[in-house]
Amino acid sequence: DAGVIQSPRHEVTEMGQEVTLRCKPISGHDYLFWYRQTMMRGLELLIYFNNNVPIDDSGMPEDRFSAKMPNASFSTLKIQPSEPRDSAVYFCASSHWTGSYEQYFGPGTRLTVT
Amino acid sequence: DAKTTQPNSMESNEEEPVHLPCNHSTISGTDYIHWYRQLPSQGPEYVIHGLTSNVNNRMASLAIAEDRKSSTLILHRATLRDAAVYYCILSSGNQFYFGTGTSLTVIP
Repeated sequence: DAGVIQSPRHEVTEMGQEVTLRCKPISGHDYLFWYRQTMMRGLELLIYFNNNVPIDDSGMPEDRFSAKMPNASFSTLKIQPSEPRDSAVYFCASSHWTGSYEQYFGPGTRLTVT
Repeated sequence: DAKTTQPNSMESNEEEPVHLPCNHSTISGTDYIHWYRQLPSQGPEYVIHGLTSNVNNRMASLAIAEDRKSSTLILHRATLRDAAVYYCILSSGNQFYFGTGTSLTVIP
């Protein structure tokens, strides 16, 4: 298995532009998580899905952020409009119950908003 | 979300054992203790988890206090590749709340 795949790996955009981050979870995993990591706030859970349904989006910072999971093999995290304070590394992770909820993380997308 | 307390940083000499402590005095009966680590420029990766009993796997050992209010991750022989931030996490489900972790430096 290729593991969790995220694209793009790096994104540089200007303030006010729309940004879309993509994630392909590990095949067979039924949970998908989006995290954000910054130096100031560390690693924060933004939202997670179970069987493509959003379960908890309480970590989504504001309405500019939205996430979708149209099918079991694809999810997007969209920021519209983007702001400089959104600059961070965004990780996607997936998991499946195997006696524990071991999460497998992708390599992350480093977003820079200028 | 249950809180954990870890030292900000630790150092170890290469090929020596490392004991990474974690305090979690507010742990509930259903909370599992998870350890993840994050190597530079990578996403976190699973290390080990446990509930009440000590656990061993190919990467590390987890020693859990009898009252479960603290735990220790043990790396038996530190290598340079073990230099990372180690996170101790409590969770009774599949939501993980990462704290600041312990940054481990391995000295050659």
